[in-house]
Amino acid sequence: DAGVTQSPTHLIKTRGQQVTLRCSPKSGHDTVSWYQQALGQGPQFIFQYYEEEERQRGNFPDRFSGHQFPNYSSELNVNALLLGDSALYLCASSLATSGTGELFFGEGSRLTVL
Amino acid sequence: AQSVTQLGSHVSVSEGALVLLRCNYSSSVPPYLFWYVQYPNQGLQLLLKYTSAATLVKGINGFEAEFKKSETSFHLTKPSAHMSDAAEYFCAVSETDTGRRALTFGSGTRLQVQP
Repeated sequence: DAGVTQSPTHLIKTRGQQVTLRCSPKSGHDTVSWYQQALGQGPQFIFQYYEEEERQRGNFPDRFSGHQFPNYSSELNVNALLLGDSALYLCASSLATSGTGELFFGEGSRLTVL
Repeated sequence: AQSVTQLGSHVSVSEGALVLLRCNYSSSVPPYLFWYVQYPNQGLQLLLKYTSAATLVKGINGFEAEFKKSETSFHLTKPSAHMSDAAEYFCAVSETDTGRRALTFGSGTRLQVQP
């Protein structure tokens, strides 16, 4: 049973460019959340997708957007990249109706903005 | 609003010694609390969680944590450290206990285990 998979694992962009990160949830999960983890910091919640809609959002600008597909996979898009966007981007999946279910995290996509 | 404070960004112990990682939280509602571990170049793995049942929670790899409402704390302990415990540990809080929770993480504590 594959867990949460993310791609790409590493990428380098320059300021002003756009980036798309991808996530496939654990089998059976229907909810995908994205977190940003800057170097030496804890993960910060970006947003969560359920039933192909953004359901919750953290304190991130509109440059950060996402999408969830019918197969529950998800994309995170970041426009007009800034140096400060350099971070590890973590995807977490879960089952919305689970009262005790845990979040399963992928290994992340490490974005470097030059 | 919810928040988490982890006291001590770095903790170093000797192999076989007690591990104590501190976490204090604030929450406007009864919280759900979690400890995650992150090994280098990996994602986060759940160690244990408190979801309003027993206040002493046992997790994987011999770790446990005690929820103390009066102290707003959820410290992580392990009686005897092993070299393989060296990693980054994150405490997190959520105000819901469904699969749609959004976690607020602390800034992490890096545990170093000396031989």
